[in-house]
Amino acid sequence: EAEVAQSPRYKITEKSQAVAFWCDPISGHATLYWYRQILGQGPELLVQFQDESVVDDSQLPKDRFSAERLKGVDSTLKIQPAELGDSAMYLCASSLFRRGGEQYFGPGTRLTVT
Amino acid sequence: QQQVKQSPQSLIVQKGGISIINCAYENTAFDYFPWYQQFPGKGPALLIAIRPDVSEKKEGRFTISFNKSAKQFSLHIMDSQPGDSATYFCAASMGSGGSNYKLTFGKGTLLTVNP
Repeated sequence: EAEVAQSPRYKITEKSQAVAFWCDPISGHATLYWYRQILGQGPELLVQFQDESVVDDSQLPKDRFSAERLKGVDSTLKIQPAELGDSAMYLCASSLFRRGGEQYFGPGTRLTVT
Repeated sequence: QQQVKQSPQSLIVQKGGISIINCAYENTAFDYFPWYQQFPGKGPALLIAIRPDVSEKKEGRFTISFNKSAKQFSLHIMDSQPGDSATYFCAASMGSGGSNYKLTFGKGTLLTVNP
């Protein structure tokens, strides 16, 4: 069964350091999403890609967060510098078509900023 | 502004009982309503979804009931099992107004099924 892959699964970093997360969506899925999930809350969208293009990054803190999907396949989300408030689960999801609907999530990266 | 309100926050059910989780939405442009199940340390898994052209959808022990006029939808888990113990999230999305079908999630319901 095809799955969304993410790495690392866990990351501990110190405040002001840089951190990066990687996501490989289900093969053939054109749309890729990065979500942030704070403990005890639902996921919130950070950025959405359609192929290699960003279609929504309205909730991405662009002063410290960046995301890319250069070849329209896998994607990297970066935080620089990390802040204590960035501690959360970072989830990647993908869907086959742009017309939303069935989004499939990866296992997530649990980030702890100390 | 919370566009999808989910209740209850937590729910305890006995094995074999019915679990019911409710969600209400504000934006009438929403046109897709999925439910996700999440176990600790895992990503959310799509459970079942409905579009507003039907009032009910059933898959195995899981049923979504949808009330368009009340702007509410609910998840019913029949014959609840201890393995169903997880956090459940409702969500909604729309394709109009430049929203690009992004999912707006409720805050989640922690379901515990006692053996």
